[in-house]
Amino acid sequence: DVKVTQSSRYLVKRTGEKVFLECVQDMDHENMFWYRQDPGLGLRLIYFSYDVKMKEKGDIPEGYSVSREKKERFSLILESASTNQTSMYLCASSSAAAGNTEAFFGQGTRLTVV
Amino acid sequence: AQTVTQSQPEMSVQEAETVTLSCTYDTSENNYYLFWYKQPPSRQMILVIRQEAYKQQNATENRFSVNFQKAAKSFSLKISDSQLGDTAMYFCAFMIYNQAGTALIFGKGTTLSVSS
Repeated sequence: DVKVTQSSRYLVKRTGEKVFLECVQDMDHENMFWYRQDPGLGLRLIYFSYDVKMKEKGDIPEGYSVSREKKERFSLILESASTNQTSMYLCASSSAAAGNTEAFFGQGTRLTVV
Repeated sequence: AQTVTQSQPEMSVQEAETVTLSCTYDTSENNYYLFWYKQPPSRQMILVIRQEAYKQQNATENRFSVNFQKAAKSFSLKISDSQLGDTAMYFCAFMIYNQAGTALIFGKGTTLSVSS
């Protein structure tokens, strides 16, 4: 059974804290993605990575950074958490093989910054 | 810019009826894939159906089918014989491959309610 696992389902952090959201996939996928989901705004791409140590900015990278030191793990970092980063965060992965394009998602992390 | 537009924030349908969710997209890429994902209250995203842009034939998966109009950049989802379990948020998305890697872009979603 394919799996994308996010380290926490719910998280509460204080303003100014450094926050790490971890995502691990067991499918040997090359591509990994971080999104935030807000009501009425859908899924907005924060960062994506197509290989180890490679990263590309998505539509809303401000206030976030990422790390991909190993193929299976893609971390999202909030350098100094702010209340406007309260949101649902979704991680996904997909294969780079042609024709094998389905993206698999984690269960989401609902982050509250107080 | 790559964008996906879902013009219907909410829709409702009765059990056993047919409903169509709209989606338009914009990209300058020629090779891409289109998807409809379902997100039930459990929050787990589930792939409903996928379409390769180079294929003219519309994809079907049981009660789900798409109407893909490449020139119009339109990709609507038709759900036949709606069931209560179809109640969810539905997202249209496309995936492109270019020099920057692979990007997967989503629309804002349509909340579908199926009632008995």
